[in-house]
Amino acid sequence: DTGVSQDPRHKITKRGQNVTFRCDPISEHNRLYWYRQTLGQGPEFLTYFQNEAQLEKSRLLSDRFSAERPKGSFSTLEIQRTEQGDSAMYLCASSPRDSRFQETQYFGPGTRLLVL
Amino acid sequence: QKEVEQDPGPLSVPEGAIVSLNCTYSNSAFQYFMWYRQYSRKGPELLMYTYSSGNKEDGRFTAQVDKSSKYISLFIRDSQPSDSATYLCAMKETSGSRLTFGEGTQLTVNP
Repeated sequence: DTGVSQDPRHKITKRGQNVTFRCDPISEHNRLYWYRQTLGQGPEFLTYFQNEAQLEKSRLLSDRFSAERPKGSFSTLEIQRTEQGDSAMYLCASSPRDSRFQETQYFGPGTRLLVL
Repeated sequence: QKEVEQDPGPLSVPEGAIVSLNCTYSNSAFQYFMWYRQYSRKGPELLMYTYSSGNKEDGRFTAQVDKSSKYISLFIRDSQPSDSATYLCAMKETSGSRLTFGEGTQLTVNP
């Protein structure tokens, strides 16, 4: 399967702990996005990378959140000092270089985070 | 007011029915319009992608965009139980990277 992959798929942590999620985009997709989705809502944009450069961040991405994409391949999203309000599905998406299709974003299966 | 409004349903139809799903939006800068399908506890799956106004058909699915009314629709013909999912509309400006989603409509197709 050559789709977007995310790891882990599920994470349970205690309030105050740090967590890190990984996303592997579709091969040769140079654009990568992180979104957060809470129950009964649509995904909300967090941040965007083109290659290794982080070009846009949402106001939702507080100081406790940091994302990286070293070498323009996989990406990590870290949440420090987790809070119960961080409980959500964290979705990664990627889109291709081809300018004809770069507006289409393909999503991974998500990482479901539960903060106790 | 949300930029994108979508009736959350739930919507329940019999197998074989024509389903109509809709979103309205307020941001006139939106130029790209998508529909995603999301099964329970899975990531969204891209169904349809449309640029600007007009219609697009793909098998049993038809997407319509009316920019003058700021209204988009997804029609599903001959609906199947396997179509039971949450359908999310999403929109994007020409500039920028983010998709703005509706909250999703939960659809159940009963056999």
